[in-house]
Amino acid sequence: NAGVTQTPKFRVLKTGQSMTLLCAQDMNHEYMYWYRQDPGMGLRLIHYSVGEGTTAKGEVPDGYNVSRLKKQNFLLGLESAAPSQTSVYFCASSHLQGQGWNEQFFGPGTRLTVL
Amino acid sequence: DQQVKQNSPSLSVQEGRISILNCDYTNSMFDYFLWYKKYPAEGPTFLISISSIKDKNEDGRFTVFLNKSAKHLSLHIVPSQPGDSAVYFCAASEVRGLRFGAGTRLTVKP
Repeated sequence: NAGVTQTPKFRVLKTGQSMTLLCAQDMNHEYMYWYRQDPGMGLRLIHYSVGEGTTAKGEVPDGYNVSRLKKQNFLLGLESAAPSQTSVYFCASSHLQGQGWNEQFFGPGTRLTVL
Repeated sequence: DQQVKQNSPSLSVQEGRISILNCDYTNSMFDYFLWYKKYPAEGPTFLISISSIKDKNEDGRFTVFLNKSAKHLSLHIVPSQPGDSAVYFCAASEVRGLRFGAGTRLTVKP
């Protein structure tokens, strides 16, 4: 099992350009998440999905859109990139969050630079 | 607003000694707390968790303590090993996902 994979690993964009980050998981997880990590701030939740065809906003959703057309994939889109979106992006997945807590499994990250 | 805080950006300890990483939180509604470990160029990996109804959870060399009245938790690593050198994130579970602290970089010197 590959676990959680992210494409691409690195990307440099110019301000105003658009791009899509792809996350794929092969663990049949219901929940998927996109986080960003900035220096000195830890990881912050951008958007999440509780199942195929559903998405919801996290802590810092502005400037991003997401789609979950297939259970195993979660796409993060930047329509018009800004320098403030320079960050490392992590995707994660987990089983259904019922009573208790289920471990989130993270991908290796995508390092994005917006010039 | 930072609801989960790790006030020490870095910690250095000698191999074989105890490492103590601290975390404070402000939201009393958090029901689970977790520690994740992160190596460079990799995603975070789960280390240990604790339910808000417990005050201690142990897994091998790793023990997490929770003090609800003080809204404080700590991770103890005994004995520390050079392979433990990494960034450690404290996180709290909420409905939407995890809320992370800023992380503490642990260096274990041989």
